[in-house]
Order: sequence, then C-alpha cells, then structure tokens
Amino acid sequence: DQQVKQNSPSLSVQEGRISILNCDYTNSMFDYFLWYKKYPAEGPTFLISISSIKDKNEDGRFTVFLNKSAKHLSLHIVPSQPGDSAVYFCAASANADGLTFGKGTHLIIQP
Amino acid sequence: EAGVAQSPRYKIIEKRQSVAFWCNPISGHATLYWYQQILGQGPKLLIQFQNNGVVDDSQLPKDRFSAERLKGVDSTLKIQPAKLEDSAVYLCASAWRGSEQFFGPGTRLTVL
Repeated sequence: DQQVKQNSPSLSVQEGRISILNCDYTNSMFDYFLWYKKYPAEGPTFLISISSIKDKNEDGRFTVFLNKSAKHLSLHIVPSQPGDSAVYFCAASANADGLTFGKGTHLIIQP
Repeated sequence: EAGVAQSPRYKIIEKRQSVAFWCNPISGHATLYWYQQILGQGPKLLIQFQNNGVVDDSQLPKDRFSAERLKGVDSTLKIQPAKLEDSAVYLCASAWRGSEQFFGPGTRLTVL
C-alpha cells in the first residue's frame, strides 16, 4: 500500500506563474513532511519541510501547506522559474524514522 | 561543508554476481540511511543506522542484502547474489538528530 501519494505524474506551468504540487498521505503517525527536488543523475535535494504542529511554512519562493484533517499537503512555487523544472518528491516520516516517499511529480516550466 | 559521498557512481554486473556500494556521510551526522529507487518510483528505505547500530532494517531483503557501519561513520551496502529486479539507483543519506536528510548522488546499478 502506498502511504504517500502524488497523483500527478507531471505538471506543466508557464514561467512566472504559480506551480502547485499536491501530495496525500494515509498514515496518521506521520509527523514531519518534506519536499525534495531531483535533477537527472543527481540525488534528491532538500527543499522545504513542515512539522505536523504547523499548517504553513515559507522559504522564499517556496511555501508548503499542511491540512492534517484532509491528510494533504501542497507545495507552492511563486513565481515559477525555468530552473525549477525537475522531479519533486513528497516525503513523510514518523518519529524521525526513515522517509516514505511518493512517486514524484515532474514539473516542467514553459518559457 | 562536503556533502554525502558515494561510490561507484555506476555499476553493471550479471545476475548472481556480487556488488558493494560505499557511502561517506556528512561529518557529524549520526544517522545514515540507504534507499533503493527503482525507475519511476520514489526512493524506498532499506536500512537506517544510528551511529553503528541498526535502527530499522524491516524492508531490507536480508537473504541477499547486507549493510554495515562498523565505526559509525562510513557504510557499505552489499548485494549477494544480485537479481535482475535489483537494477535501481541506490541512494545514501545522512541526517543530524532526525532533521532533514541529505542525499548523495547515488549509485546506478544495472543487473544483466
């Protein structure tokens, strides 16, 4: 069973617009959520995280929103830039254990 | 600050052969993880070390996979014997006290 789901395999957004990537989870024990960005032939790079005691965390152009009742989180990128084109993974952990990842969303920023 | 180092970057072997991967975490990071990423999937945790002790190896196929972190610093992951379905990227990550994990570039394994 997939405990972390990213239902959009790909997303195309125009440069300068907002990119919204979504993630759903099923395990109520998850207390820490992260987004990673991955370029081909590289390891995932940490982007932003949020603890389950918060509902929003912001870092520059990146904002993560957490809706615990819906078991849903989203990553907003504003404004989107060409360098943001990559695969984005949603991940979650419980009690500082190893991460459970979604399958990823390939974000394509169109010029 | 140096990142997580992994070697080799690429490895091609035939099924039933053995292979080993090496990881050196970020200095001072007590927690080390090995993940397997199959094409089109997200990384899947294989094993988690805290210093040189195993915290979680519930998803490690122990009949063929083994890992060690003898001195609490670098680590090796071994597959013996390899199967076709082991073709994947093997990622090592490290973290300080359960914070965000930092990943190495990975080792791409192809089993023929």
